[in-house]
Amino acid sequence: TQLLEQSPQFLSIQEGENLTVYCNSSSVFSSLQWYRQEPGEGPVLLVTVVTGGEVKKLKRLTFQFGDARKDSSLHITAAQPGDTGLYLCAGGVSGNTGKLIFGQGTTLQVKP
Amino acid sequence: EAQVTQNPRYLITVTGKKLTVTCSQNMNHEYMSWYRQDPGLGLRQIYYSMNVEVTDKGDVPEGYKVSRKEKRNFPLILESPSPNQTSLYFCASSFSWRGSNEKLFFGSGTQLSVL
Repeated sequence: TQLLEQSPQFLSIQEGENLTVYCNSSSVFSSLQWYRQEPGEGPVLLVTVVTGGEVKKLKRLTFQFGDARKDSSLHITAAQPGDTGLYLCAGGVSGNTGKLIFGQGTTLQVKP
Repeated sequence: EAQVTQNPRYLITVTGKKLTVTCSQNMNHEYMSWYRQDPGLGLRQIYYSMNVEVTDKGDVPEGYKVSRKEKRNFPLILESPSPNQTSLYFCASSFSWRGSNEKLFFGSGTQLSVL
């Protein structure tokens, strides 16, 4: 069974600080997705990375896929209270199986 | 409005009483999937369907059944619910699942409590 270890599980920071969330595995994934979930709602896709070494930026969020496609990171610059939420990484299992493996999630709280 | 609709939003039931959670999407998506979310465990895939009449097990299929008779609907059936199936359930869909880099659209969730 493929696993995705996400860290840290909880993060509480002040507005304006930078942070990085990590998603690691010993398995290779065909793609890596990052979602954000707010209380009472389903996850919403932020980005998909598919190529080893790929870096994507979404305003203050930077996503990176590891060269070996086994790990990924999400970096937020100058965090704002609106960034508060649960961040989830999800890896696509190779072979077009239809399976998607999620990490445990990182709960981020940004205090004003 | 393009959406994935789950019903009910909240459900309290007793052990052994069969129940069905419905899921419907209006985007003509081929791929649909069910997940359960438990604290500290993230989302775990229960079943998925690549297209009509094609379903397959995810990581935690025990105690669940699904069917995909029509493209838009993908109900989750618990034949004999047990307390360890108390969880938050999400249905999701995407246009297809080629290369696993498709965007998943999630429903708003169903909070199930089995007493």
